[in-house]
Amino acid sequence: DGGITQSPKYLFRKEGQNVTLSCEQNLNHDAMYWYRQDPGQGLRLIYYSQIVNDFQKGDIAEGYSVSREKKESFPLTVTSAQKNPTAFYLCASSKIKVDQPQHFGDGTRLSIL
Amino acid sequence: SQQGEEDPQALSIQEGENATMNCSYKTSINNLQWYRQNSGRGLVHLILIRSNEREKHSGRLRVTLDTSKKSSSLLITASRAADTASYFCATGPEETSGSRLTFGEGTQLTVNP
Repeated sequence: DGGITQSPKYLFRKEGQNVTLSCEQNLNHDAMYWYRQDPGQGLRLIYYSQIVNDFQKGDIAEGYSVSREKKESFPLTVTSAQKNPTAFYLCASSKIKVDQPQHFGDGTRLSIL
Repeated sequence: SQQGEEDPQALSIQEGENATMNCSYKTSINNLQWYRQNSGRGLVHLILIRSNEREKHSGRLRVTLDTSKKSSSLLITASRAADTASYFCATGPEETSGSRLTFGEGTQLTVNP
């Protein structure tokens, strides 16, 4: 079954700690995305990547970092510089063409200890 | 920055009634998409309408697009309790390459049995 897997489902961060959220896809999609969703709100783009070893900042990249070493994987690190990291994080992937739907994982909920 | 604005923010109806949600956006688009999100889950793509299309149907869903007014509507006919979810519009800006989308704030739909 093709899809996107995000792990862990729940994650807790201590003060001053970096944490990494995993996102893996087996849809053979070139593009991958990370979004942040706060309660009752829409999605805001953190980073996206359209090709291996290349990625671009989205609207709220400060305090986050990513890597794209493999086509299937796009991990997101929430650094200690992100002062308000509590949110629901969603990973998505799509084909590279302009009129393509995005396919989403089931998210990681990050909280502060 | 949020491109799309959904209206209403919340909608509560009885099973069997129709539900209409509206989306307005600010810049020229290549396509507009609608997604559904059940509580605590990822988004699921529902339907895509291109900028040169005016109306599209998929099962009980009907989407319209008015590029002169920069607005779209999603109609769900004969609603069911299982349609209870948040619905988001997302726009693919005309000037960008690739499949990057900008999401609105969403409409929370509650269908009462």
